[in-house]
Amino acid sequence: EVQLVQSGAEVKKPGESLKISCETFGYTFTNAWIGWVRQMPGKGLEWMGIIYGADSTTRYSPSFQGQVTLSIDKSITTAYLHWSSLTASDTATYYCARRLTFASGWDYWGRGTLITVSS
Amino acid sequence: QSALTQPASVSGSPGQSITISCTGTSSDIGAYNFVSWYQQYPGKAPKLIIYEVSNRPSGIPNRFSGSKSGNTASLTISGLQAEDDADYYCDSYARSTSYLFGTGTKVTVL
Repeated sequence: EVQLVQSGAEVKKPGESLKISCETFGYTFTNAWIGWVRQMPGKGLEWMGIIYGADSTTRYSPSFQGQVTLSIDKSITTAYLHWSSLTASDTATYYCARRLTFASGWDYWGRGTLITVSS
Repeated sequence: QSALTQPASVSGSPGQSITISCTGTSSDIGAYNFVSWYQQYPGKAPKLIIYEVSNRPSGIPNRFSGSKSGNTASLTISGLQAEDDADYYCDSYARSTSYLFGTGTKVTVL
């Protein structure tokens, strides 16, 4: 069974760094892409970026380029989303999701990680 | 373009059919058949209900159907049920940004 298990909720202060994780199970990690999606409170879905499990090829949405960093650790089939300096506007729920191909859609999702940034 | 355009809300009575539109450009929806649709309940992760314009994943009822014409994709829910009360998002591959979500549509079952 395919599962994406995300790390727990975080409360951080502005300026702090953070890395959240998405551990995957039940499929060949190197055969798929992992994407990250932001959902601000009461708002819609925003695609942030995508990373390939085989070689870490990464694509970022122009809106998030330079704001976050995606990475993976193939040895533990886990993807990461990293901020070097958080701001209050980063307060949101972040989802990881799997995508096999351009056509396949985001077929499996994690439950989301709620990040609260407040002084 | 930062997002595909969807109506903010659509409503219908049980048993009726509703259609949600998702409008993009010739660089995303118009250029590729890589449109997918998602259902999201409050506080829950989205769920894939349509991929590649009109294909349903295993377990998705055939009440859900998708189509595309030009730069606009559509999701139709036939025989509306109370459990269809949720938010719906479209998504497309885009030449410039790789992927784009729609603005989202709140479906209300009256």
